Amino acid sequence: DAKTTQPPSMDCAEGRAANLPCNHSTISGNEYVYWYRQIHSQGPQYIIHGLKNNETNEMASLIITEDRKSSTLILPHATLRDTAVYYCIVSGDNAGNMLTFGGGTRLMVKP
Amino acid sequence: ETGVTQSPTHLIKTRGQQVTLRCSSQSGHNTVSWYQQALGQGPQFIFQYYREEENGRGNFPPRFSGLQFPNYSSELNVNALELDDSALYLCASSRSSSGSLHEQFFGPGTRLTVL
Repeated sequence: DAKTTQPPSMDCAEGRAANLPCNHSTISGNEYVYWYRQIHSQGPQYIIHGLKNNETNEMASLIITEDRKSSTLILPHATLRDTAVYYCIVSGDNAGNMLTFGGGTRLMVKP
Repeated sequence: ETGVTQSPTHLIKTRGQQVTLRCSSQSGHNTVSWYQQALGQGPQFIFQYYREEENGRGNFPPRFSGLQFPNYSSELNVNALELDDSALYLCASSRSSSGSLHEQFFGPGTRLTVL
């Protein structure tokens, strides 16, 4: 599986958009990009995934560059409850069940 | 609909002992994956079970083994415990081992401490 690089930490003001970057320059053609988050003392929570196209759901938007070497997770209106560690994962497992998480980005949403 | 549950929540063992952790998958889910999360690190995939068979394995030694039962619940067994096995063990369930259903639902984890 390809590796990912994320900034270790980021801050965001409450109500503003949080843009979390992820580099995955060695991604292969059949590998998906997944985003999960982990709030303190809880199990990880699925956010979104994509292959080539940009994706949006009720939680977030995922923007994948045309060369697929990087992506950005966008939380459009961050709240204090979005404070968590956000993991970007690349995997060729076609069901997304066998994921190896990296270090993630610790997002702190501030009032 | 109940979520993924794990038991026990905390456990303390000594080196060389054996431990069994349990997971009940979310209703309607037939695939269970187990992860190990050391302090300050991201979860690492241990193995996956689908229809009571191991269906994929990460870079973990054979002393990590598992079972899945007909009701899709699962156990993780670790033999000959080592100090480095101290971690949060997470169970995740999903609806399929293949196809377009990519979302896993994680339980709260079992915190194992090996002394």
